[in-house]
Amino acid sequence: NAGVMQNPRHLVRRRGQEARLRCSPMKGHSHVYWYRQLPEEGLKFMVYLQKENIIDESGMPKERFSAEFPKEGPSILRIQQVVRGDSAAYFCASSPLVSNHERGYYQETQYFGPGTRLLVL
Amino acid sequence: DQQVKQNSPSLSVQEGRISILNCDYTNSMFDYFLWYKKYPAEGPTFLISISSIKDKNEDGRFTVFLNKSAKHLSLHIVPSQPGDSAVYFCAASMKGGSEKLVFGKGTKLTVNP
Repeated sequence: NAGVMQNPRHLVRRRGQEARLRCSPMKGHSHVYWYRQLPEEGLKFMVYLQKENIIDESGMPKERFSAEFPKEGPSILRIQQVVRGDSAAYFCASSPLVSNHERGYYQETQYFGPGTRLLVL
Repeated sequence: DQQVKQNSPSLSVQEGRISILNCDYTNSMFDYFLWYKKYPAEGPTFLISISSIKDKNEDGRFTVFLNKSAKHLSLHIVPSQPGDSAVYFCAASMKGGSEKLVFGKGTKLTVNP
């Protein structure tokens, strides 16, 4: 049972370059989430996507950051013109769509990938 | 604005004893709570969850307790094992939202042999 896959695991970029982070969800999962973890902090939500749709991008910085989850292929988190403050661990999570009668609506447990550690020099 | 708080950055317990990790939240709209365990250089691993309609959920050595009136939850690990040493994150989500998780800053648990 392959879990959530992320690549690369480590990425080094110079200021001003672009960073592309990839995430392949678990088989059968149609929802992808991106989170960022700064040193000594918890994970912070960035964006929630379904295939070809951005559902919630309330945690995404307004500039330089974008995300997509195409019909075919992995989800991509793209950071343009990286700055030192972008250095962090970026985690992708995926979840199935599960009906939960207790909650009265769909509820999903999110399963995380190993993360991509981005270092901006 | 920290909506999910884990006020103890670290906790040290003896092998075989109980570990109790605490979490407080401020947003009364949260209705689903999860605990994740994280080792260095790895992603968080789901441990256990609880819906707001319950006050307890148990899975093997792990039990989560929810006190809605106090907006407090706790994770009990009994008995603690050295392999449990990791950072534990509390997370919450709200009904009607996009299911995004709001995380605490984590508690580093060390279980000494």
